[in-house]
Order: sequence, then structure tokens, then C-alpha cells
Amino acid sequence: DAGVIQSPRHEVTEMGQEVTLRCKLISGHNSLFWYRQTMMRGLELLIYFNNNVPIDDSGMPEDRFSAKMPNASFSTLKIQPSEPRDSAVYFCASSLITQGAGEQYFGPGTRLTVT
Amino acid sequence: GENVEQHPSTLSVQEGDSAVIKCTYSDSASNYFPWYKQELGKRPQLIIDIRSNVGEKKDQRIAVTLNKTAKHFSLHITETQPEDSAVYFCAASPTGTASKLTFGTGTRLQVTL
Repeated sequence: DAGVIQSPRHEVTEMGQEVTLRCKLISGHNSLFWYRQTMMRGLELLIYFNNNVPIDDSGMPEDRFSAKMPNASFSTLKIQPSEPRDSAVYFCASSLITQGAGEQYFGPGTRLTVT
Repeated sequence: GENVEQHPSTLSVQEGDSAVIKCTYSDSASNYFPWYKQELGKRPQLIIDIRSNVGEKKDQRIAVTLNKTAKHFSLHITETQPEDSAVYFCAASPTGTASKLTFGTGTRLQVTL
């Protein structure tokens, strides 16, 4: 059974460019979480979806960030325009929430470098 | 919202010794407390979790204790081995908000020979 799939694994882009990160959930899971990890700020929750619906986007840093879940198994996180301070590792995590909290399975991450 | 504090930020122990990492949380409604291990360059992976209806849970060399009155929980690793070297994160999730986890800032554990 495949785990969480993220692409690309590495992305290097210039400031001002649009960046799109992709995530595929584990089959049968109903919740998806986008996290950003940096040395300075640790692991931050950006947004999470339950049954394709965004539940909490209070962690999205600013309007340059947007996330969508066009179907039950796939999500994108877009940064437009990108800035050097967006450089980080972006993880998505997948979970099956039936009652209360459930285990989150993390993807391998996308290392984003904005120059 | 929930606030999770984690201590220490770094911990060095000799192989075979025990390691303890402590976390406190602020939201008394939190009822789920997982611990994640992240090796260098890898993804966080769940190693153990505890729910608020129990006070202690053990899995081989790893144990977690929870004190709901004091709002703190701890990770205990016994007989540490070099492969235990990693960053450990605690987290908390409040009731009624699906599984929104608030993570602690992490503890870098180094097990020396």
C-alpha cells in the first residue's frame, strides 16, 4: 500500500515565480494537512482539509499561499509569488478521522528553495 | 488556541541510559497526545501516542505518561541506542476539532557511544 506521495521532492525557483506543490493521500483517508518546517519556526500547520473541505486555514501565512483539494485524494499548495523566506520543507500528512484525532502519516516532503 | 511547550531542546545521553522529554499544553480540552520521531532529512513518524483516558502507555523501550491535572506529558526512552538519535516532537489535539495537532518545538536527542 503506497504511503503519502509528494511532488516534487526538491524545487529551486527564483523569487517572484509561482510554485505548486502536490500531495496524494493514502487511499481511504479523509483528511489532509499541509505543514511547513523551518529551523526558526519548527513544524507549523498551514491548513487542513476534512472530506475535501478546508477546516482551518489560520496557519496560511498570507494571501500568496493557497491550497486546494479538487478531489478526495489529491491536493495542491500554491505560492504566488514566491519569496526567499518561503524556503522550507513542506510536508503533507494524511489521516483517517473517524472520531476525534487520528494518526497522521507524513509524506516525504518537498524541499523548496527560493533564491 | 493550543500552545505546546517542549523541553529540553537538546539532550545528550550515553548509550544504555534513559532519556526523558517533557511537554506541557494549555488547552484542557486536548485529548490526544502523539509523539513523532524525525531522523535527519526524513519525515516525522509516529512512535507512540496516548489518549486522555489513560495515564501511561508503553511500547517496548518507549513509554509515555500523561498528567491531565497538571497538563503535561512525557516521553521516556530506556536503554537508549545510537539509532534513537533524532529530533522528537510532542503534539496535542483538542476534542471536537478533528485532528488539528499543535506541535512542540522539538528535542534533538543524541545518543553517544
